[in-house]
Amino acid sequence: ETGVTQTPRHLVMGMTNKKSLKCEQHLGHNAMYWYKQSAKKPLELMFVYNFKEQTENNSVPSRFSPECPNSSHLFLHLHTLQPEDSALYLCASRPPGSDGELFFGEGSRLTVL
Amino acid sequence: GNSVTQMEGPVTLSEEAFLTINCTYTATGYPSLFWYVQYPGEGLQLLLKATKADDKGSNKGFEATYRKETTSFHLEKGSVQVSDSAVYFCALSRYAGAQKLVFGQGTRLTINP
Repeated sequence: ETGVTQTPRHLVMGMTNKKSLKCEQHLGHNAMYWYKQSAKKPLELMFVYNFKEQTENNSVPSRFSPECPNSSHLFLHLHTLQPEDSALYLCASRPPGSDGELFFGEGSRLTVL
Repeated sequence: GNSVTQMEGPVTLSEEAFLTINCTYTATGYPSLFWYVQYPGEGLQLLLKATKADDKGSNKGFEATYRKETTSFHLEKGSVQVSDSAVYFCALSRYAGAQKLVFGQGTRLTINP
């Protein structure tokens, strides 16, 4: 139990659906991240937010839209996804002054049909 | 750019065997290095870290030494247990406190009783 909670844990959606992934932490961390984990590939950083401001967008397609309303909550809005977007989406948070340690949620397993 | 390369998995060992998982990196400057572990059905969690050359990180019987001359951070454990079965990720941050962590592709380890 890392204190980072992701919902839903599993999601199946069609290519025309709109859905959202949610992440929350009440650890007092100021930075939050979305990573994509696909089989046999390195974890791909998608977005970073620091104090609610987006500081990193790793050339992610616009069909993924992040939202960070406050330092405790992070969303990933999904729209018109492709089957190759099926993956485990991991949220992480980072405490202030951290030397790089991230706290990860258990992930949301997304399947796009 | 910065990158991390891990040995290809999967790795299968018997209980009490000696473990080495190789990790090499490419980075400018003085990165910080990390090993993360992902147990089945869970998110990643920090296993150990080292922030400067010749530092040794250790935790739960695992060790890794930051070798600048060989740009390596190999993970070792003298006697593995079934409970060590997991996926192990090597990672770096460009400098201590950098917000961006670059991960390797992960090495799946299975320990048989």
